[in-house]
Amino acid sequence: NAGVTQTPKFQVLKTGQSMTLQCAQDMNHNSMYWYRQDPGMGLRLIYYSASEGTTDKGEVPNGYNVSRLNKREFSLRLESAAPSQTSVYFCASSDRGLNTEAFFGQGTRLTVV
Amino acid sequence: GNSVTQMEGPVTLSEEAFLTINCTYTATGYPSLFWYVQYPGEGLQLLLKATKADDKGSNKGFEATYRKETTSFHLEKGSVQVSDSAVYFCALSDHGSSNTGKLIFGQGTTLQVKP
Repeated sequence: NAGVTQTPKFQVLKTGQSMTLQCAQDMNHNSMYWYRQDPGMGLRLIYYSASEGTTDKGEVPNGYNVSRLNKREFSLRLESAAPSQTSVYFCASSDRGLNTEAFFGQGTRLTVV
Repeated sequence: GNSVTQMEGPVTLSEEAFLTINCTYTATGYPSLFWYVQYPGEGLQLLLKATKADDKGSNKGFEATYRKETTSFHLEKGSVQVSDSAVYFCALSDHGSSNTGKLIFGQGTTLQVKP
């Protein structure tokens, strides 16, 4: 069972470079999310997609863009990376609803130098 | 706005000790509450949840009770094992205007259990 798959697992970027983090889920979930995890701050929501064809900003969207390519895939793009975007990024998916479990990928550790 | 506050770590315990990790929340309405666990090098996985006041979630010997009167959801385990060493996150579901399933997380508490 693949669940939520993220690529790449590790990445080092220079300031100003761009990159796209890929995420795919095979659980037929409607909702997908991108979070970033920073020490002492827990996980913060960057963007989410409640259903195919829709995306919305979360708590910390600045410097990021997303694409919900289809029901399975939700990508996160950094157009011009900054050192403040050094973080661990997690993709997650869930069925819509307040009580349903979110399933997480293994994370992408991104360092911007 | 909604928020979650966890006790600061790290928490270091000996094997078979009793564990409590405190979690309090601020929310409008009646959110669902969750505990997620992150083992080293892995993503988060659901440990337990509670969806209404006085509900008790339990899994793998861990328990937490949804206390509306104290806005708390403390995690407990009677006897921890070395394999419980991980980072634990308390979270609530953000109602908003639609049921999108967005989660608000606490800052995480690192647990280290020594043999």
